[in-house]
Amino acid sequence: DAGVIQSPRHEVTEMGQEVTLRCKPISGHNSLFWYRQTMMRGLELLIYFNNNVPIDDSGMPEDRFSAKMPNASFSTLKIQPSEPRDSAVYFCASNQGPNQPQHFGDGTRLSIL
Amino acid sequence: GEDVEQSLFLSVREGDSSVINCTYTDSSSTYLYWYKQEPGAGLQLLTYIFSNMDMKQDQRLTVLLNKKDKHLSLRIADTQTGDSAIYFCAESRGDDKIIFGKGTRLHILP
Repeated sequence: DAGVIQSPRHEVTEMGQEVTLRCKPISGHNSLFWYRQTMMRGLELLIYFNNNVPIDDSGMPEDRFSAKMPNASFSTLKIQPSEPRDSAVYFCASNQGPNQPQHFGDGTRLSIL
Repeated sequence: GEDVEQSLFLSVREGDSSVINCTYTDSSSTYLYWYKQEPGAGLQLLTYIFSNMDMKQDQRLTVLLNKKDKHLSLRIADTQTGDSAIYFCAESRGDDKIIFGKGTRLHILP
């Protein structure tokens, strides 16, 4: 079975550019999570969706960040405009519901120059 | 507080047992998890334990839970070089979110 699929694996862009990260959750999973991982802050939950509806976006750093889930098999995390401090590894995860283990993608390593 | 805490580093000789410790603060935790992250990869679920259990064993992995002290440990028997990774402790409190610790980096000495 395919796991959580994220694209691109690596992204290098100049500050001010728009960045779009993509995620395909595991089929049948109802919840989808976006995380950011840095050395300084560890793993931070940015936002999560349940049945395609955003439930908690309190971890989204600021208005430059937005996330959508137009259907059960696709989600995007967008940063516009990007800044060097957004450089991190961004993970997407999905699960079947409350208390169920989350399954992670391999992440997108984002570098903003 | 809401933190899940674990030490940042652990060095163990190959063939010895590794014990990674974690403390959590919420007594309403339902499930507790251990994830492994290898370089350049996402977090991989290793094992998990329900809060009404004391112990769970899975091959070389043993999880111990002390609910009174809110302490969770992961023991890896016969540690191998392939066990070198970051290990995350995490808890679920009955909703969708999982609270992660900052991870323990396990270094294997030859």
